[in-house]
Amino acid sequence: AQSVAQPEDQVNVAEGNPLTVKCTYSVSGNPYLFWYVQYPNRGLQFLLKYITGDNLVKGSYGFEAEFNKSQTSFHLKKPSALVSDSALYFCAVRGDSNYQLIWGAGTKLIIKP
Amino acid sequence: GAGVSQSPRYKVAKRGQDVALRCDPISGHVSLFWYQQALGQGPEFLTYFQNEAQLDKSGLPSDRFFAERPEGSVSTLKIQRTQQEDSAVYLCASSEHSSTDTQYFGPGTRLTVL
Repeated sequence: AQSVAQPEDQVNVAEGNPLTVKCTYSVSGNPYLFWYVQYPNRGLQFLLKYITGDNLVKGSYGFEAEFNKSQTSFHLKKPSALVSDSALYFCAVRGDSNYQLIWGAGTKLIIKP
Repeated sequence: GAGVSQSPRYKVAKRGQDVALRCDPISGHVSLFWYQQALGQGPEFLTYFQNEAQLDKSGLPSDRFFAERPEGSVSTLKIQRTQQEDSAVYLCASSEHSSTDTQYFGPGTRLTVL
């Protein structure tokens, strides 16, 4: 069965410091991995995705994520956090034999000035 | 062009009422998805359309839930005889094709059943 785990309910980072939001997955076949961000009372906004190719994927707003096949991880990173990055972040995965996205429970990112 | 839009943004229903939630996908997008997001949780898949064909409805929680996309553009999610456990945010997403394309989400409809 496909699944996504975001082991941290909340991550606190000081502004200007690097941030990491963790995601691990389980899927049959090749994984397609996504990160979305959700601001209060707004829909999910796409940040980046991994389909194939380079393990390091660069996305919107300075975010990047590294695909690690052996560790089945797809952690979201940013070198220098901004207060405006504070939001709820979701990791999602689908296998190559279907189109359903399976979502993690989300990680609340709090950036303190 | 415009993104995915959903209406209404908020809906309050009395238990037992029927509700209809509308989704306008990005123009030209072939695929349309409905998700249910409970408070503090990630979205859960409800159903998927490719053009007007509903290819997967395995996520619909009961036969009270019904979705349609008759002309392959606008979609409506209908919930009959609403129950309190139906209270959630209902998200619609569209993608250009059906394979690995990114899904773009609307703002959601927050349904509260009293």
